Amino acid sequence: KNQVEQSPQSLIILEGKNCTLQCNYTVSPFSNLRWYKQDTGRGPVSLTIMTFSENTKSNGRYTATLDADTKQSSLHITASQLSDSASYICVVSGGGADGLTFGKGTHLIIQP
Amino acid sequence: NAGVTQTPKFRVLKTGQSMTLLCAQDMNHEYMYWYRQDPGMGLRLIHYSVGEGTTAKGEVPDGYNVSRLKKQNFLLGLESAAPSQTSVYFCASSSTDRWQPQHFGDGTRLSIL
Repeated sequence: KNQVEQSPQSLIILEGKNCTLQCNYTVSPFSNLRWYKQDTGRGPVSLTIMTFSENTKSNGRYTATLDADTKQSSLHITASQLSDSASYICVVSGGGADGLTFGKGTHLIIQP
Repeated sequence: NAGVTQTPKFRVLKTGQSMTLLCAQDMNHEYMYWYRQDPGMGLRLIHYSVGEGTTAKGEVPDGYNVSRLKKQNFLLGLESAAPSQTSVYFCASSSTDRWQPQHFGDGTRLSIL
């Protein structure tokens, strides 16, 4: 069964600090991996998307990495801001209508 | 620049009542999706559409029906609401990737009593 596991479930850090969120998947075949940010009470917003051949992709202070061999991805947030407080969802696509597997998300809280 | 708009934002229903959730997108996207999001679970696909006049079942379609009479609108119907359908419903659309939602609405929070 295809699975996407995210860790930690929740994380609290101080404003200005860096953090890294993890995503491990067992989806096969693999098409691409996307990270979403979901603010409380809002819909998910896409941050990055990576295919098999991409190792890293950045979007401002967000940098995602992908190791397709170990089936792991990480999302690194640099110099965190209060507005980074949100849930971060990892989604892996294996192709097909039922080929999208969503992780449960990491709930990140940035404290002043 | 509205993107994906969902109506209503909140609704409380009694068991057995029916209702329709409306999703409208102004980006001329071909693909549209309905998901539900429950505490402790990832988003799950209910139904999707790959173009005007087409619909298909997703992972959890039971108890729901959909229609896509116009390209910009995707309707999700509950014919006889059940407490298990209490959830947050998200509509999404995509232009380039049939299986990857690009833009999400802000959700409809539905409670079934």
